[in-house]
Amino acid sequence: GAVVSQHPSRVICKSGTSVKIECRSLDFQATTMFWYRQFPKQSLMLMATSNEGSKATYEQGVEKDKFLINHASLTLSTLTVTSAHPEDSSFYICSARDGVGLTYEQYFGPGTRLTVT
Amino acid sequence: GENVEQHPSTLSVQEGDSAVIKCTYSDSASNYFPWYKQELGKRPQLIIDIRSNVGEKKDQRIAVTLNKTAKHFSLHITETQPEDSAVYFCAASLGAGSYQLTFGKGTKLSVIP
Repeated sequence: GAVVSQHPSRVICKSGTSVKIECRSLDFQATTMFWYRQFPKQSLMLMATSNEGSKATYEQGVEKDKFLINHASLTLSTLTVTSAHPEDSSFYICSARDGVGLTYEQYFGPGTRLTVT
Repeated sequence: GENVEQHPSTLSVQEGDSAVIKCTYSDSASNYFPWYKQELGKRPQLIIDIRSNVGEKKDQRIAVTLNKTAKHFSLHITETQPEDSAVYFCAASLGAGSYQLTFGKGTKLSVIP
């Protein structure tokens, strides 16, 4: 149980285009989902926290108009990178927390490798 | 906000030896401390976690200790095996009401056969 999927696993896009990444909780209801960005040989940096049905909360320094997050249902959150540039190339990972129960654990998706050319 | 420091950044051990990775955190209100193993290009995998009401937790060859007073926690891996080679991240969370994780910078562990 507690499986999180992400789609696509890899994407290459041209500079100036937009890319949408989906994060799904497959067997539980995720009241809260988190989006992270990880550059090569670096740690995971939290970009934003999204709660189902409400606006995402962005971390300092993350442009909310560039990284659009939608958490429209208890099993799906999407991250759209708008007007992507080469510096946005990174590994994007989502995680989800099971809203039922007292667990603090986050379940991570497999990540999406974004390359902007 | 929370700040998590992790060291060492790299660690090489002989197979069969023990490995210890240490983290310190800044926010005394943090109460959940997970450790993750990440292989190249893969998702982080939770290997063990501890809450602030517990001082030590063990799962086979892996153990975590927590010192709330000093605000540090450590990962101990005994009888290391080559498959333990990976990057390990510690994290801290305020838990209820927030659940956000703040990660350390990671430790690249190499187990030499």
